Amino acid sequence: DTAVSQTPKYLVTQMGNDKSIKCEQNLGHDTMYWYKQDSKKFLKIMFSYNNKELIINETVPNRFSPKSPDKAHLNLHINSLELGDSAVYFCASSQAGRDYEQYFGPGTRLTVT
Amino acid sequence: DQQVKQNSPSLSVQEGRISILNCDYTNSMFDYFLWYKKYPAEGPTFLISISSIKDKNEDGRFTVFLNKSAKHLSLHIVPSQPGDSAVYFCAASVRRGGSEKLVFGKGTKLTVNP
Repeated sequence: DTAVSQTPKYLVTQMGNDKSIKCEQNLGHDTMYWYKQDSKKFLKIMFSYNNKELIINETVPNRFSPKSPDKAHLNLHINSLELGDSAVYFCASSQAGRDYEQYFGPGTRLTVT
Repeated sequence: DQQVKQNSPSLSVQEGRISILNCDYTNSMFDYFLWYKKYPAEGPTFLISISSIKDKNEDGRFTVFLNKSAKHLSLHIVPSQPGDSAVYFCAASVRRGGSEKLVFGKGTKLTVNP
């Protein structure tokens, strides 16, 4: 049973489109995250949610909007996709008191053409 | 502004020998340091951590050393096994609101040759 799952695994779309990536964790964790790994392989945090409340928002363009319907899900919606949005997006979760130990999903490779 | 640096993009060692992966950081406010391991097409997996108030943490074949005065940490793997071949990310965490913000290095690709 996958602890942190993401769908889709691959996403190819054209510039200007709107797309969503879904994330679910079955670990009972309170905090969830979105990370972006760009072409230079840097893994950078985008957002963090704790019990459906936004905690961290790291200077991400407004075109990116996370949505947390419940504490087991954190979806990422991206409007007006740009070429520079092409990257691998990772979802992660952590439990209270050990937030530095994060459990990552398998990643979603987004390609914008 | 790269707060966590892994200056070696790759490392190759023989099976059974020691692997030493290095990491430097600049921010004195980090409270935990972590190592994550990543296989291709998978997400990073937590490997080992060390609190900023400690200088060593050991878990089986993996030991992390922290030198705060030098702002340097290292991961020792001994003995190295072919299954250890992966990309290793050094990360540091700082408390932000109700969660921890992790700052990652660029990764070091470890290859363990049989």
